[in-house]
Amino acid sequence: GAVVSQHPSWVICKSGTSVKIECRSLDFQATTMFWYRQFPKQSLMLMATSNEGSKATYEQGVEKDKFLINHASLTLSTLTVTSAHPEDSSFYICSAWGLAVETQYFGPGTRLLVL
Amino acid sequence: SQKIEQNSEALNIQEGKTATLTCNYTNYSPAYLQWYRQDPGRGPVFLLLIRENEKEKRKERLKVTFDTTLKQSLFHITASQPADSATYLCALGDTDKLIFGTGTRLQVFP
Repeated sequence: GAVVSQHPSWVICKSGTSVKIECRSLDFQATTMFWYRQFPKQSLMLMATSNEGSKATYEQGVEKDKFLINHASLTLSTLTVTSAHPEDSSFYICSAWGLAVETQYFGPGTRLLVL
Repeated sequence: SQKIEQNSEALNIQEGKTATLTCNYTNYSPAYLQWYRQDPGRGPVFLLLIRENEKEKRKERLKVTFDTTLKQSLFHITASQPADSATYLCALGDTDKLIFGTGTRLQVFP
């Protein structure tokens, strides 16, 4: 199957700092990338959808100024959590969709802990 | 709003038996339905996709059915193995966007 990588796999930061997470599709072109957040024992909650070269579409209740998304190329999207606070601690997962694969392939996730 | 329900309780079965997981949905007519496997601390792994005009799909020991009248999908793992223990997520899709269920945790014991 298609491969999606995510970096870093885990990060610990102090409250007030910004954290950038990278998502890459390694063997296909991703016209659309998705960012999800998952709290323990809960389902994946879609945060935003990004298309290459255009602004991300955020789900209701997700602050676009706090979660900055950039989809600069067909293989790379980044999520920046700005001024992170302890309540932002969660498991962040990206996925990529492309015409060649016709489904979403997920990255391994990034565990964020804000102290 | 759309609602997706999966077996809320964990499913425990003995090795070699068939595991059957259920996914029910309301207020939605998806173009397709997918099943993913998720291990603790990892991202979901795609298993199977079934479209609205398909009744059943198989892949090795996996079988998925899709009943758009009942608004239900069943996911079967035959000859289950301890390595099949994981959380299985049902996801409904239209174009490229997915809505996920809460998942069912499957435990296969020897």
